[in-house]
Amino acid sequence: QSVLTQPPSVSGAPGQRVTISCSGSRSNIGAGFDVHWYKQLPGSAPKLLIYGDSNRPSGVPDRFSGSKSGTSASLAITGLQAEDEADYYCQSYDSSLSAVIFGGGTKLTVL
Amino acid sequence: QVQLVESGGGVVQPGRSLRLSCAASGFSFTSSAMHWVRQAPGKGLEWVALMSSDRSVKYYADSVKGRFTLSRDNSNNALYLQMNSLRVEDTAVYYCARGMYSSGPLDYWGQGSQVTVTS
Repeated sequence: QSVLTQPPSVSGAPGQRVTISCSGSRSNIGAGFDVHWYKQLPGSAPKLLIYGDSNRPSGVPDRFSGSKSGTSASLAITGLQAEDEADYYCQSYDSSLSAVIFGGGTKLTVL
Repeated sequence: QVQLVESGGGVVQPGRSLRLSCAASGFSFTSSAMHWVRQAPGKGLEWVALMSSDRSVKYYADSVKGRFTLSRDNSNNALYLQMNSLRVEDTAVYYCARGMYSSGPLDYWGQGSQVTVTS
């Protein structure tokens, strides 16, 4: 059971908007620690998608955006494309555990 | 360009040891926090361990505490993970990754090294 909770799966049609939630607690997201998001294709290493809650690394399309409020964070993907089909993970830090923590991951299916 | 190359994985029996290495290039290794993250077959990402750039901070996941030891050689841009008393549940692909800062995002990842623990 992951410290950060994500839905196991989400889906959307091409062109649509989808969001993936990441729920934490007062010792991690709620304590103000940054949330980061990764995209992982099958058989490949994860790739950083969003860092510091809402910042995009160079090369990441602006279709991807992140937000945070209270003890939760969200990743939004607009203008869904076939190549967005992948697993997505949120990550933060937990002060009670003194540990980096990941969400359980969300599989995005583009219908 | 940035490269992180893991090596040292393999098949090992429960209770035995293995040492993973990660060779870094293309960025300032000496000023970077470094992590190990693993992924069991069909499962999600699990953070394993973190070492700060100056070795002053070392954190481990509870699942490996007391069995795994992190070290780094800043003169050779290398990170190591000594894994002792291996268990079947340690079977995973192990990724080496750079942290933007100790508790921050992992911006560069290696391709992973497979560790299989089986009798």
